[in-house]
Order: sequence, then C-alpha cells, then structure tokens
Amino acid sequence: QKEVEQDPGPLSVPEGAIVSLNCTYSNSAFQYFMWYRQYSRKGPELLMYTYSSGNKEDGRFTAQVDKSSKYISLFIRDSQPSDSATYLCAMSDTGGTSYGKLTFGQGTILTVHP
Amino acid sequence: DSGVTQTPKHLITATGQRVTLRCSPRSGDLSVYWYQQSLDQGLQFLIQYYNGEERAKGNILERFSAQQFPDLHSELNLSSLELGDSALYFCASSPPDGLFYEQYFGPGTRLTVT
Repeated sequence: QKEVEQDPGPLSVPEGAIVSLNCTYSNSAFQYFMWYRQYSRKGPELLMYTYSSGNKEDGRFTAQVDKSSKYISLFIRDSQPSDSATYLCAMSDTGGTSYGKLTFGQGTILTVHP
Repeated sequence: DSGVTQTPKHLITATGQRVTLRCSPRSGDLSVYWYQQSLDQGLQFLIQYYNGEERAKGNILERFSAQQFPDLHSELNLSSLELGDSALYFCASSPPDGLFYEQYFGPGTRLTVT
C-alpha cells in the first residue's frame, strides 16, 4: 500500500464548477501538506501548503487538512479552462534524514471544459 | 519559468549505457532535489543535496548516483540503464531559509531507454 493515495481521475467538469480533489495518507508523521499543479509537459509548481491541520484559502483555492482522518482536500471555486492540469498532493514529515523529502500522490487529471 | 534549468530536454539511449543529467538551481537556492516521474510509480523522490552535501535519500537505485558541485549545479548519473529507467527526471530547488516544501521544479529531462 502506498503512503499517499490519490484518485487519478480523470475528472471532467464544466467551467464555473466547484472542484474537489482529495488524498489520503497512512504516515502519521506527516506534518506539511502541499498541493502542486502540473501542466502537460511541464514541471510541477507549488499551489498551496498547509502545516498540520486546518484550512487555508488563496483566491479561488482552499486547502483543508484533517489529520485525525489522514485526509487532505483541495477545493477550486469557479473553475476555469486554465485550471486544466494534473494536481498532485505532496506531504512531508519534519527533521531527521527526511528533511526535504516530499512524498507525492499519483496525481488527479482535471479537465475544465468551456 | 521556475528559474531551474535542466539539460538535456530529451535523451534516447540503449540498455546498458550510462547517462548524465544536469541541473542548475535558481539563483540563491542551496538545495537541489532529484525526482523520477513514471506512469506507474508517479513522482518519486530520489535524493537531496544541500550546499554540496547529501541531505536526504529516497528510493534511489544503486546504479544511480548524484552530486552537487561548488557552483551548486547538480548532476544525476544513471548507469547500466534498463528499459524500466525510462521516465521523466525532474530537478527542483528550494530557498535557503528552510522552506524545503517550497520546491521549484525544472522542465525535466525525458529519458528513453531502448
């Protein structure tokens, strides 16, 4: 079983829809939770990060972390065709030899059609 | 453009051969990370260097090795190549103030082993 599980989709939604992307994880040592976006033939780019449990909002994006359930989510409001990409969740614990190591989910392919 | 450069963009080689992938981090970044991305395994952390020293190690095969030079560029060496090594290899760098999860990815090197 992988440490981080993410539904690969694909997910297809109409423009303006609310999108919900999710990951579950098994390693209770994870403290930092990130969402990266990867456009086709490009490297991933950091969208948002959250430390420990809670919510964080940035424009149309909201990240939620529920450590008790080992579950994280990314919500995209008013989705746009330009949001079409692969969304990767990533996680990390703190300190030790794992410093800097990110564990990624498989990625969810999202298509927003006009 | 993340500011991280990788060369070459594409590499086609035969089984048993050895290749070197090169990465230049963003100006001022001291950490360099290497990742492998394949369809079946997703994005997997290989190794991290910080200011010339190995900091963290992931699922890196013994046939693979890396180093970071005094000018902070890094090279990933892959030897005795197998068909299964065909993948996208990404390099990332992060700021020197400890925000290790804020990783900036390069455009990647696509390696095809025939």
